[in-house]
Amino acid sequence: ILNVEQSPQSLHVQEGDSTNFTCSFPSSNFYALHWYRWETAKSPEALFVMTLNGDEKKKGRISATLNTKEGYSYLYIKGSQPEDSATYLCAFSGNAGNMLTFGGGTRLMVKP
Amino acid sequence: GAVVSQHPSWVICKSGTSVKIECRSLDFQATTMFWYRQFPKQSLMLMATSNEGSKATYEQGVEKDKFLINHASLTLSTLTVTSAHPEDSSFYICSATDQETQYFGPGTRLLVL
Repeated sequence: ILNVEQSPQSLHVQEGDSTNFTCSFPSSNFYALHWYRWETAKSPEALFVMTLNGDEKKKGRISATLNTKEGYSYLYIKGSQPEDSATYLCAFSGNAGNMLTFGGGTRLMVKP
Repeated sequence: GAVVSQHPSWVICKSGTSVKIECRSLDFQATTMFWYRQFPKQSLMLMATSNEGSKATYEQGVEKDKFLINHASLTLSTLTVTSAHPEDSSFYICSATDQETQYFGPGTRLLVL
């Protein structure tokens, strides 16, 4: 059973604060690490697909880093806004397969 | 990004009823679709991989005779929960892949009374 863990489980921040959370995953048989944002009553939205050790990707105020050797990825949000409130999911895929193993998610709430 | 729809959004049914959930890729063709289930306070768990024109591959512990999957076209996969029981109450969500990213539907919440 693959172990993909996210921390913290939930996070409350004030508007304007920058924040980050962690995804840890198996360091062996790594193929890709995916980040999704999931707002209530909507489909999970793909943020990043990361494949290379040391990769850093950015989309607006959100960025992510990847360390495949130690098995972790960080997601950063700069200057959080209320519309960033969502659950952020990471998912691991190994061995060039499409199968995703998800972490439990980090629920972010940004207070105005 | 690619759009995946799922229908229905909500189902409430009596025990013993069969429930069919549809997953459609609206603007791309998906040879592979996936079905996940999420119980309260748990992660999304893969149930099965659905391949167009062939039998689905089920994960360990998922009964293939209970969760029937049909992927008859490149844009449609269906999941039928046969003879649903209260323990099948859960959130079911599908995804379709373009071989790089999985695009998710909005999910179906099933409540079996």
